[in-house]
Amino acid sequence: GAVVSQHPSWVICKSGTSVKIECRSLDFQATTMFWYRQFPKQSLMLMATSNEGSKATYEQGVEKDKFLINHASLTLSTLTVTSAHPEDSSFYICSAPRLERVGELFFGEGSRLTVL
Amino acid sequence: GQNIDQPTEMTATEGAIVQINCTYQTSGFNGLFWYQQHAGEAPTFLSYNVLDGLEEKGRFSSFLSRSKGYSYLLLKELQMKDSASYLCAVRLKAAGNKLTFGGGTRVLVKP
Repeated sequence: GAVVSQHPSWVICKSGTSVKIECRSLDFQATTMFWYRQFPKQSLMLMATSNEGSKATYEQGVEKDKFLINHASLTLSTLTVTSAHPEDSSFYICSAPRLERVGELFFGEGSRLTVL
Repeated sequence: GQNIDQPTEMTATEGAIVQINCTYQTSGFNGLFWYQQHAGEAPTFLSYNVLDGLEEKGRFSSFLSRSKGYSYLLLKELQMKDSASYLCAVRLKAAGNKLTFGGGTRVLVKP
């Protein structure tokens, strides 16, 4: 079964609104989670590393004020797309490593965002 | 920076074998992963290589040569459900568990 759960799976919003996506580790604690974005027919691009209890680390070119990340507990990280625009429409996927499975990342189901 | 290259698309026939190559240029290599991703779904883990050689898991095998910066994923006895994208990803020593993905190879299995 799933070990990382992501919600919502689909979201459609109007331009200018904000959308929050949740990522939960279901039966393990994750001090680190990763947020990826994937455009159609392209690979996963890492946006940021979410760190429990501290600030997220953003990849070059990713606006931290636009993509707000909060990792308030050991099982939950959230990504908020603020003032969304049509170009933010994409597939957002979170992932988390498990200590006992060295290096392997477990991915959430993904969230498809469409901004009208 | 890192450079991870894999072919964009491959087509094969049901029951056949397909080999997907991945070359990488990185510093501080600490493992290579292969993931399968069906359209509209999240990636699922297939294999992990950190030492040179071949790792076999049922119909799927993965090979790594660190000196050549080269890996391949071998899919045997292809089934229609194997039609998917296959992502090569590299982990670096300095990056913890962060993975950098290649562009992915879309494999189409035909009857």
